[in-house]
Amino acid sequence: AQSVSQHNHHVILSEAASLELGCNYSYGGTVNLFWYVQYPGQHLQLLLKYFSGDPLVKGIKGFEAEFIKSKFSFNLRKPSVQWSDTAEYFCAVYTGANSKLTFGKGITLSVRP
Amino acid sequence: GAVVSQHPSWVICKSGTSVKIECRSLDFQATTMFWYRQFPKQSLMLMATSNEGSKATYEQGVEKDKFLINHASLTLSTLTVTSAHPEDSSFYICSARTREKLFFGSGTQLSVL
Repeated sequence: AQSVSQHNHHVILSEAASLELGCNYSYGGTVNLFWYVQYPGQHLQLLLKYFSGDPLVKGIKGFEAEFIKSKFSFNLRKPSVQWSDTAEYFCAVYTGANSKLTFGKGITLSVRP
Repeated sequence: GAVVSQHPSWVICKSGTSVKIECRSLDFQATTMFWYRQFPKQSLMLMATSNEGSKATYEQGVEKDKFLINHASLTLSTLTVTSAHPEDSSFYICSARTREKLFFGSGTQLSVL
């Protein structure tokens, strides 16, 4: 069965620090990859997605992620975080072969002003 | 850690029948549960927000009479797809919220013949 690992549960950064959130999945076939964010008091929102093509994907609000197939990873990055990036971040993997979407446990990011 | 159990994981039904999907928070009380839907090659779509003891709040374009949501207790929310049609075939996933975090079920793949 496929699974998604997000290694840190809570990340605390100061404003302007660089961010990298790890996401690894276990599935040998073709995958679609997503990063979602939930800001306090709001609903889940799509940050970016990878279906095919350029493995470096740019999303909203300055986020990007790189799909490294050999490492089964899809890490999320942002060069300089802001206080408003404080939120929960979820990595998700969709496999068309069994039509299943699996979420990681999520990472809480707290950015200190 | 907290677990959200979603059942069934896969269901095939005939057109015109109703299907009930259960979402349980196993070791915590979830005052709010969310129901999402995913079509292939698309991102997650929020269908409704379910609060214990009150009517669900549906997103625009989601038919209340077709997708019945009941959140009868702090640990159980159900989604019933009434008079299912082939276009309702999709992946449905629930999530439950504690004060600190959001947890996802494992999803239900519905195929309507």
